[in-house]
Amino acid sequence: DAGVTQSPTHLIKTRGQHVTLRCSPISGHKSVSWYQQVLGQGPQFIFQYYEKEERGRGNFPDRFSARQFPNYSSELNVNALLLGDSALYLCASSLAAGRDYEQYFGPGTRLTVT
Amino acid sequence: DAKTTQPPSMDCAEGRAANLPCNHSTISGNEYVYWYRQIHSQGPQYIIHGLKNNETNEMASLIITEDRKSSTLILPHATLRDTAVYYCSYSDSWGKFQFGAGTQVVVTP
Repeated sequence: DAGVTQSPTHLIKTRGQHVTLRCSPISGHKSVSWYQQVLGQGPQFIFQYYEKEERGRGNFPDRFSARQFPNYSSELNVNALLLGDSALYLCASSLAAGRDYEQYFGPGTRLTVT
Repeated sequence: DAKTTQPPSMDCAEGRAANLPCNHSTISGNEYVYWYRQIHSQGPQYIIHGLKNNETNEMASLIITEDRKSSTLILPHATLRDTAVYYCSYSDSWGKFQFGAGTQVVVTP
């Protein structure tokens, strides 16, 4: 079975631009979470969606938004990019949303803002 | 928010057991302890999780202290492919994970 897939794998943008990152969960998984990982640090939680509804939001500015589609895939949007948004963006899926459901991560999208 | 504390790095000889400690003194009673590892900036890989009982799977064993303030991940026979950053984390009621800085484990021949 295919794991979590993310696109694109790499992306270069300039300050002030907008970016959309995409994620397809493992088949049968209904929850998707997004994380930002800056070099040398652990992943930081951005959003969690379950059954197309937002279930959690991390400490990120309103420039960050996301949504989940009826097929459970998800998009992460970032507006007005800053240099500090350069990071590895990880998507993770799980069967459902809850503390006893392990999350499976995709390979990530490497975003570079210049 | 509760935090996890791990040593920044540790070395392990190939074939020996690797014992990775984690402190999570502020974890709440219904939050699960999870362990993930990450190799070369790939996506983190799930290893194991538990609430209060010790757990074992094909990859590792998880020992959680009775007071749940700390845990230890045990890799029984470390191989070179186990070289990675290991993250101890916990999950709130909705499955939001809090990751710390992790432990860089280097397995040497």
